[in-house]
Amino acid sequence: NAGVTQTPKFRILKIGQSMTLQCTQDMNHNYMYWYRQDPGMGLKLIYYSVGAGITDKGEVPNGYNVSRSTTEDFPLRLELAAPSQTSVYFCASSGQGQETQYFGPGTRLLVL
Amino acid sequence: AQSVTQLDSHVSVSEGTPVLLRCNYSSSYSPSLFWYVQHPNKGLQLLLKYTSAATLVKGINGFEAEFKKSETSFHLTKPSAHMSDAAEYFCVVSDTGRRALTFGSGTRLQVQP
Repeated sequence: NAGVTQTPKFRILKIGQSMTLQCTQDMNHNYMYWYRQDPGMGLKLIYYSVGAGITDKGEVPNGYNVSRSTTEDFPLRLELAAPSQTSVYFCASSGQGQETQYFGPGTRLLVL
Repeated sequence: AQSVTQLDSHVSVSEGTPVLLRCNYSSSYSPSLFWYVQHPNKGLQLLLKYTSAATLVKGINGFEAEFKKSETSFHLTKPSAHMSDAAEYFCVVSDTGRRALTFGSGTRLQVQP
């Protein structure tokens, strides 16, 4: 049971480039989330999804997009990378009726 | 609206001595509260959670936390610190409406030999 997996582990982007951060969970969870963690800070919610085809904005959605075509996958898209998006990104999932979220190992992104 | 305040950004203890990491919360609803731990360059691991059952919650690795509604607190304790406990600890409150988590800013626990 792999849980929540994220790829890539680390990426360097130039300003204005785009990329997709991948997140997959194999626990058949309906709820999935994207957070970012800036140095010395807690996690802030970017987007979340309560099921396939349904997404909603979190606290800091600007500059990001998401889609949820399947239960398992919840990719996060950066269209025009900016230095302010340098951060560590965590994907998480939780099951219906449960609130414990299970986190992936994170993707470290550096925008130069 | 909900919020979490971790009262100490950094705590240093000696190995074998007690650990206390303090957390206060604000929530409009009956909250669910969590403590997560993050070791360096690792993801987050759930230590324990409170969901309106027993007010004293026991977690993994000897940690426990007590929910005190009158004080709006959810402090994390451990009787005896171990070197492997050195990590960042996050107190978290849940918005039951959309199941999103609100994180505190974290407390870095340092354990001295």
